Amino acid sequence: EADIYQTPRYLVIGTGKKITLECSQTMGHDKMYWYQQDPGMELHLIHYSYGVNSTEKGDLSSESTVSRIRTEHFPLTLESARPSHTSQYLCASSEPHRGEQYFGPGTRLTVT
Amino acid sequence: EDKVVQSPLSLVVHEGDTVTLNCSYEVTNFRSLLWYKQEKKAPTFLFMLTSSGIEKKSGRLSSILDKKELFSILNITATQTGDSAVYLCAVLPTSGTYKYIFGTGTRLKVLA
Repeated sequence: EADIYQTPRYLVIGTGKKITLECSQTMGHDKMYWYQQDPGMELHLIHYSYGVNSTEKGDLSSESTVSRIRTEHFPLTLESARPSHTSQYLCASSEPHRGEQYFGPGTRLTVT
Repeated sequence: EDKVVQSPLSLVVHEGDTVTLNCSYEVTNFRSLLWYKQEKKAPTFLFMLTSSGIEKKSGRLSSILDKKELFSILNITATQTGDSAVYLCAVLPTSGTYKYIFGTGTRLKVLA
């Protein structure tokens, strides 16, 4: 069973606040990903990482930033939250040379 | 532009029915195709297909890939209410970036 964790699971915050969404995995996977998913819509890749100190922006323009200081940890930060950031954020990881991704439970973010 | 298209968008069946979900893709340098089941939160991995014509099977679920016609199908036989979920198809290109391309999913509802 995959061990990938996200906190918080739900978050309601006001506009302009800075927030960090946490993602950790205990599988030693090099590759990690952040996706944004609106209800009934496809997953959009917003950031990914191939390993420590490696981060890249995905296809969906995002005002968030990420860091990868440790293999197991891939936090996502919004410096100034806006209502347009309201969405579900899913973190995932994958093994080297294998295709399947393992997803965390997601963080549902609401910005008021 | 690379894309993955799933059909139908939604489907309602009764328990015991057999369903076929479709995934077609237009992706440069195809590597693999993956199927996921998404219930309330995170997608869970079902199958990964890399070779054409080889069926992957797990219980009542099976999937096959046609690389010539650029599509895959996911079959579910003897459906149960627990099969109700969104089924996602994703394609991984061989570009080396490990950026998965997801379809919008098929929402399946199985009625008792």
